[in-house]
Amino acid sequence: SQKIEQNSEALNIQEGKTATLTCNYTNYSPAYLQWYRQDPGRGPVFLLLIRENEKEKRKERLKVTFDTTLKQSLFHITASQPADSATYLCALAGTASKLTFGTGTRLQVTL
Amino acid sequence: EPEVTQTPSHQVTQMGQEVILRCVPISNHLYFYWYRQILGQKVEFLVSFYNNEISEKSEIFDDQFSVERPDGSNFTLKIRSTKLEDSAMYFCASSEEGGPSNIQYFGAGTRLSVL
Repeated sequence: SQKIEQNSEALNIQEGKTATLTCNYTNYSPAYLQWYRQDPGRGPVFLLLIRENEKEKRKERLKVTFDTTLKQSLFHITASQPADSATYLCALAGTASKLTFGTGTRLQVTL
Repeated sequence: EPEVTQTPSHQVTQMGQEVILRCVPISNHLYFYWYRQILGQKVEFLVSFYNNEISEKSEIFDDQFSVERPDGSNFTLKIRSTKLEDSAMYFCASSEEGGPSNIQYFGAGTRLSVL
């Protein structure tokens, strides 16, 4: 069955450092991979989308890589700030519209 | 900035009662979705809706669930006879386009508590 794995343990980093979050998947061939941010008690907010034929995508301090051979995506936040503290969700989309989400990784950025 | 709005923010109901969760998608969006998130678990797809029809549904979306777009602005999720295990956050989402490249915009959610 399809499986999407994100590190369930919280990631604690210091302000100004780069946070790197991992999304691994099995038994899946997604055409697209998306990253969302979720704050407590709120809905997911779209951040970035990357296509299967793209290696890397950037948006301001965010960078996403997508390796379909390794079946892995890495999500980087450079120069992290306390306001970046949230749960980050990886979501896969195949040929239809539905998104299949991972469990998310909670990021805590401290001063 | 346009947003998806959901009401109520919190719904408490007794087991076996019917509930209707309401959503107003972004006005020019054509594709609508419901997801749920049980406390501490991942966001799970329930159903997608386009052109007044269900496009896709998950195994969770059984005969107890139904969706409707009763007018030009609202999109509702009805649970006919709630069970304890239906307690979760329910998120409505909408997108301008369909397909796997669509960007979905989520509402803040309705917390459903079944007692």
